[in-house]
Formats: sequence, structure tokens, C-alpha cells
Amino acid sequence: EIVLTQSPATLSLSPGERATLSCRASQSVSSYLAWYQQRPGQAPRLLIYDASNRATGIPARFSGSGSGTDFTLTISSLEPEDFAVYYCQQRSNWPLPITFGQGTRLDIK
Amino acid sequence: EVQLLESGGGLVQPGGSLRLSCEASGFTFSSYAMSWVRQAPGKGLEWVSGVSGRGSETYYADSVKGRFTISRDNSRNTLYLQMNSLKAGDTAVYYCVNEPYDFWSGTLYYWGQGTLVTVSS
Repeated sequence: EIVLTQSPATLSLSPGERATLSCRASQSVSSYLAWYQQRPGQAPRLLIYDASNRATGIPARFSGSGSGTDFTLTISSLEPEDFAVYYCQQRSNWPLPITFGQGTRLDIK
Repeated sequence: EVQLLESGGGLVQPGGSLRLSCEASGFTFSSYAMSWVRQAPGKGLEWVSGVSGRGSETYYADSVKGRFTISRDNSRNTLYLQMNSLKAGDTAVYYCVNEPYDFWSGTLYYWGQGTLVTVSS
């Protein structure tokens, strides 16, 4: 099973600042890496799929990069609604199993 | 607009059974694969099961294989998850998720709001 490790566990920033979240895979997942946002009390929402493709309706301030084992989600200028938990997920060894990282909590400083 | 409405959650005793349903609207249901993903209270996300658009291919996490069965009724635009031999560790919010292709790919595109399953005596 491919293990995804997200860092940091918690990130405290202010609105307007740039956020950089990391996801590292235990072995190569090529570009089959997605990012999800989960606000408190809400369902997760797909932000980025296949490493760098924004999902429908996702603002341009969200971008994804990386390939192989190291990936980054960047939020260029934080809005108040961006403070949430972010998960990465891989689907490399399709069809099974797909796995998630443990999450990064983005808090308001 | 894609809408996914889960139902069927509730309190069940260990060893019991429950069937979750997910009613879909806003897209051609039979053309897209679907998944179930769960989240234990205060914990992260765990993929549970997936099914192709026609229902001919199904996939399961090792943790539920042999106990859970995913199915779909394309005439009713509804996805199901039959859960048997439930354990305390199955306690979670279960999300119904739409995928962007007719084959199951693990790309979890649109999510429902979830239904809570509690396994406890």
C-alpha cells in the first residue's frame, strides 16, 4: 500500500498570505495525485486532480504541482474561507487501493 | 448541478446490517462510476468501495471486502452500499462520490453531504 505523508500537520497563516502544503508518497504515484479541501462540518471538495488540474469551479489561487513522490498544493493569497483541512490522495496503483494522506489543518493566525 | 443525497444511516448493533442509498441527480447517472468514502469521527478519509457506470466492475477496500457490497440501479439513479457483519470500527460518516468517467478511476469528483453510521451496543 502506498503511504502518503502530509506536512506540516498544522499551518497557521493570515489572510492574504501564501500557503504551501506538501504531500510525499512512499513510492512513485506518477501524476495520479489529488487534493481535497474539507471545511468544518462539510463534505470534502475536490480541488486538484492528476497533480495540477483544477476541478470545476475551483478558484485560480489554488494550484498543484509535482510528480513521482513529491507534491505541493499552493494557495497564492489566502481568503477567509480557505481555512480548512486539506487532504492529498493517490490513485496510482489503480484499481486498488487508493489512499489518503492524514491531512494538513490550515488555521488562521 | 450535481446532487448526491445519501440516506439509510443510523445506529446498529455489532454484527448487524444496514443498507445505504445515494440518490443522484443533475447528471446522466449511468455514464459515471461512483464510490463510497467514509470518515470516522475526528479522523481522516478512507475509500470504501467503487463501481463502474454500468455496475459490471466493483472494487473494495481490504477492510470491508466480504462484508460490504456496492451496487447501483441506473433506472432509479441510485447507488447502494449493503453493509453486513458491522463492527465498531465501521462507525463513520459515509459519503457518496461521483467520478468523472464511466470506468472506476479513483478520481473523487463530486461528494454528497454524507450519512452517519454508528455501530454500538
